[in-house]
Amino acid sequence: DSGVTQTPKHLITATGQRVTLRCSPRSGDLSVYWYQQSLDQGLQFLIHYYNGEERAKGNILERFSAQQFPDLHSELNLSSLELGDSALYFCASSATRMNTEAFFGQGTRLTVV
Amino acid sequence: AQSVAQPEDQVNVAEGNPLTVKCTYSVSGNPYLFWYVQYPNRGLQFLLKYITGDNLVKGSYGFEAEFNKSQTSFHLKKPSALVSDSALYFCAVRPFLSGGYNKLIFGAGTRLAVHP
Repeated sequence: DSGVTQTPKHLITATGQRVTLRCSPRSGDLSVYWYQQSLDQGLQFLIHYYNGEERAKGNILERFSAQQFPDLHSELNLSSLELGDSALYFCASSATRMNTEAFFGQGTRLTVV
Repeated sequence: AQSVAQPEDQVNVAEGNPLTVKCTYSVSGNPYLFWYVQYPNRGLQFLLKYITGDNLVKGSYGFEAEFNKSQTSFHLKKPSALVSDSALYFCAVRPFLSGGYNKLIFGAGTRLAVHP
């Protein structure tokens, strides 16, 4: 168990809809990262939050947004969903030290139908 | 551009034989290198990392990796493979200038199949 919790594990929704994925980082970790894993794009970095503030953006669509709350949990909001958004979405957390690794949650599998 | 290459989609090895999963990288500055493993319907599990120091790093489940700066490689190895090692393996790099944050660049992954 990595200590990173993601809910829900599975999500099936229709095109055009909006969903929210939730992540609770490991205790004490201030950084939360979101990644998308799809068959055609592989594992792609989406966005990074540190202690409530956005720190870096990757290949994140404008239809997607995220936030990190004062209790450090994070939510990834996906709107106007398209079939191509179907993927496994991972959250990871890490401590803020140069030599530390990221710990990943088990992911949320999103299926857009 | 910064990138990670895993040249083999799949590696097949017999149980008890040594295994190698290859990884090469292209980043600016000195990289931080990681290997993760993904079992079916599971998240990514950290195996090992190279930050600095000894080029041979040891990790979880008997895995080790050799950092070669001149060849910009970080190959994953295990002396004796187990059927339970069968999984998807990802090499990842964190560019040195990432400010200590784990914005990782992943390779495409290599599926390891260990046959009895």
